[in-house]
Amino acid sequence: AQSVTQLGSHVSVSEGALVLLRCNYSSSVPPYLFWYVQYPNQGLQLLLKYTSAATLVKGINGFEAEFKKSETSFHLTKPSAHMSDAAEYFCAVSYNDMRFGAGTRLTVKP
Amino acid sequence: GAGVSQSPRYKVAKRGQDVALRCDPISGHVSLFWYQQALGQGPEFLTYFQNEAQLDKSGLPSDRFFAERPEGSVSTLKIQRTQQEDSAVYLCASSSQRLAGPFTGELFFGEGSRLTVL
Repeated sequence: AQSVTQLGSHVSVSEGALVLLRCNYSSSVPPYLFWYVQYPNQGLQLLLKYTSAATLVKGINGFEAEFKKSETSFHLTKPSAHMSDAAEYFCAVSYNDMRFGAGTRLTVKP
Repeated sequence: GAGVSQSPRYKVAKRGQDVALRCDPISGHVSLFWYQQALGQGPEFLTYFQNEAQLDKSGLPSDRFFAERPEGSVSTLKIQRTQQEDSAVYLCASSSQRLAGPFTGELFFGEGSRLTVL
C-alpha cells in the first residue's frame, strides 16, 4: 500500500525566508507524488507532481520539489516566502487511487 | 460553471437524520472521487467512480454511507442515520483521466460540503 507522512502539522516562516515542507512516502512500487495547496475557503489545487520524469519538479507560484528515492522523500520548497503563500499544503501519493497526508499549515509572518 | 460544484456548502443535521450531498463535476470528466476531511486532517478516500460505475468503495466507513453517479455526471453521497463522528468536510474531485493503474492526472476539487451532526 502507498502512503505519505508529512512531518510538522504547522510551519511558520518570516516573509522572504525559505519555505521547507517535508513529505516522506511509503510505496512498494515506483510512486507518483503530488503536492496540493488549499487556501482558506477554497478547494484543493495542484501545485506540482512527480511522475517519474525529472526528479526536480517545478510548480506554480515558485514552488518546487525534489524526488529522492534514497530518502523516500518529496519535500516542497520555495526560496522566498510571500504572505500569499499562507495555506494548508498536502502531499499525496497515487497508484490505484490517490492518498493524502495529514497536511501542513504554513503561516507567513511579516 | 467551469469548476467542480458541491452543495450544500454547509449542512447541520441532528443525530439520526439522513443527509445527501451533491457533486457536479467538470463536464466530461470521467473520474469522480469522494473524500472525507476531518478537522485538522488530510482528505481520506471514500469512493471512486469511473463514469457511472463505482469501481472502488473501500473507503466508505460503514454501510450507512452510500454514493451513486447514475448517469456518469452528477454524484450524490448519502449518509443515513448520521452520527456525530460523521461531522467533517466532504470533498468531491473529478479528473479527465481514468484510474487504471498509476494515476498521474490532476484532481480538480470542489470547495466541499461541511457537515455538522449535533
